[in-house]
Amino acid sequence: QQKVQQSPESLIVPEGGMASLNCTSSDRNVDYFWWYRQHSGKSPKMLMSIFSNGEKEEGRFTVHLNKASLHTSLHIRDSQPSDSALYLCAASYTNAYKVIFGKGTHLHVLP
Amino acid sequence: EAAVTQSPRSKVAVTGGKVTLSCHQTNNHDYMYWYRQDTGHGLRLIHYSYVADSTEKGDIPDGYKASRPSQENFSLILELASLSQTAVYFCASSDARQGYAEQFFGPGTRLTVL
Repeated sequence: QQKVQQSPESLIVPEGGMASLNCTSSDRNVDYFWWYRQHSGKSPKMLMSIFSNGEKEEGRFTVHLNKASLHTSLHIRDSQPSDSALYLCAASYTNAYKVIFGKGTHLHVLP
Repeated sequence: EAAVTQSPRSKVAVTGGKVTLSCHQTNNHDYMYWYRQDTGHGLRLIHYSYVADSTEKGDIPDGYKASRPSQENFSLILELASLSQTAVYFCASSDARQGYAEQFFGPGTRLTVL
């Protein structure tokens, strides 16, 4: 059974600070990693996806992927109170044609 | 932008009763999914479908049935609701099989079983 582990469970950063979130797959047959953001009381919305080793940047958001260690990380620079949300990592697997979500990281950005 | 709607948005049901949650998408997507979200569990897949009149079991299908009468509509049915099925339920759609395309989520249905 594939598992996706996220850490930390909760993260508090000051406004303007850097937030770093981590995600690891337990199964090597991972094809894609996805990051979704879910504000309180709302539905998840995709932030970014990555499937190649390296880094991908979109505005204040940067995603890193190390396929050898099955690890991805999401970094948010110049964090804003509006970034406060649950961040869900998901991994998709070739051999199962499915996506597994992690339990998420609660990010709190303090003004 | 992709549009997925769900009804009802909130539901209180009695134990042992039947509950039907409905989902409608106007994205022209082939793939539709039902997830449940519980505190501390992220999102867990209940059922999914990639074509009308066909459904597949996800990771936690026990106690749930699904129906896909058309490309646009996907329902989740709880024949005998139980306390443990209290959760928020999300429907989603995508234009490629799960994991190879962005999923677009509906607003969710908060189900409370008493």
